[in-house]
Amino acid sequence: GAGVSQTPSNKVTEKGKYVELRCDPISGHTALYWYRQSLGQGPEFLIYFQGTGAADDSGLPNDRFFAVRPEGSVSTLKIQRTERGDSAVYLCASSLQGATSTEAFFGQGTRLTVV
Amino acid sequence: GDSVTQMEGPVTLSEEAFLTINCTYTATGYPSLFWYVQYPGEGLQLLLKATKADDKGSNKGFEATYRKETTSFHLEKGSVQVSDSAVYFCAWGYNQGGKLIFGQGTELSVKP
Repeated sequence: GAGVSQTPSNKVTEKGKYVELRCDPISGHTALYWYRQSLGQGPEFLIYFQGTGAADDSGLPNDRFFAVRPEGSVSTLKIQRTERGDSAVYLCASSLQGATSTEAFFGQGTRLTVV
Repeated sequence: GDSVTQMEGPVTLSEEAFLTINCTYTATGYPSLFWYVQYPGEGLQLLLKATKADDKGSNKGFEATYRKETTSFHLEKGSVQVSDSAVYFCAWGYNQGGKLIFGQGTELSVKP
């Protein structure tokens, strides 16, 4: 009975390096979301996939951030040339359809630390 | 711009006390409203929702009513338990959409 799985759970990287964060959604969920949560703040929307395509990527902060979902299941969030300000917990969620019409299930997140 | 403002925490209550966590939102039009909860060591999970004005969402003894005139969605519970200790997030999103706008969260601590 798998929920949303995110790997790794923790990632420490040096400033300037490239990182990939993985999300395995609940089987059969067509919608997938990435959020970023800084300490003491609520989740901040990054991108929303419906199937393989990005339906809304308006939350990606700049062109260092990119996400893919090539087969409509697993998604990878890619961050190039990491900066210390990228340190946060990156959350993934999935739902049967859009999160406003069907419940979104969240993973436990990947804690990214850029040193 | 689009936002959610929540009552600042932490909120500390004794068991069986009455709980209110205030939430107001700024949005264009008529979004759906949500409360999510994050228990220690767990992921965010949906607590309740309301999709139109005057709707009341309820779950596990918690309630919130969609008030369009005051753009509010305050969370209430008549008698809290130690097991309710968690961080509570208010959020909204447009129908047919996927994106949710979250508040900053309110930490609740219930003492026996």
